Amino acid sequence: KAGVTQTPRYLIKTRGQQVTLSCSPISGHRSVSWYQQTPGQGLQFLFEYFSETQRNKGNFPGRFSGRQFSNSRSEMNVSTLELGDSALYLCASSPWSGPRGTEAFFGQGTRLTVV
Amino acid sequence: AQTVTQSQPEMSVQEAETVTLSCTYDTSESDYYLFWYKQPPSRQMILVIRQEAYKQQNATENRFSVNFQKAAKSFSLKISDSQLGDAAMYFCAYRSAGGKGYKLSFGAGTTVTVRA
Repeated sequence: KAGVTQTPRYLIKTRGQQVTLSCSPISGHRSVSWYQQTPGQGLQFLFEYFSETQRNKGNFPGRFSGRQFSNSRSEMNVSTLELGDSALYLCASSPWSGPRGTEAFFGQGTRLTVV
Repeated sequence: AQTVTQSQPEMSVQEAETVTLSCTYDTSESDYYLFWYKQPPSRQMILVIRQEAYKQQNATENRFSVNFQKAAKSFSLKISDSQLGDAAMYFCAYRSAGGKGYKLSFGAGTTVTVRA
């Protein structure tokens, strides 16, 4: 099985622009969650989607949004980019059920740099 | 809200020796899961080991084992016979059980250096 795929791997954007990141989960996984990783704040939960519905949301401003499609692929959007949004964005998928239902499998991340 | 604390920013171990990473967490829940993830320089998060809170037996995966003390809310990771490939950042993570969705709360991480 292919792993979690995140695209693009690297991105450079200008302050004020918006960006969309994509995540394709492992086939059969219905839960997709997003995390922001920065040196100062560490790993912080953004949101989780399951069957196209947002189930959990972290403490981030409304500029951060996401969605999930019927094939479980997920996108994350950040509008009006700020310098502080520069981070590694990680996506994780989980089967949610079955013997490995408690586990999350991560993609390699998208490194976003805002200049 | 659950908080996860890793008090050791860095640990160094000689190859073939043993190192133990500490993790404590704060929760009012009785049912939950705990994980240790490894993040090498490639940045890919890799699951090392998991522990269900309802299980008293400590989890073991090859050279990796945990010491889970539920009453003390402690979850340490022991790496035995350390190898150069074990060098990475290690994160302790907490997840609520039940139908609360999938959300991981991470500690700040511990960087493990393995000396040849």
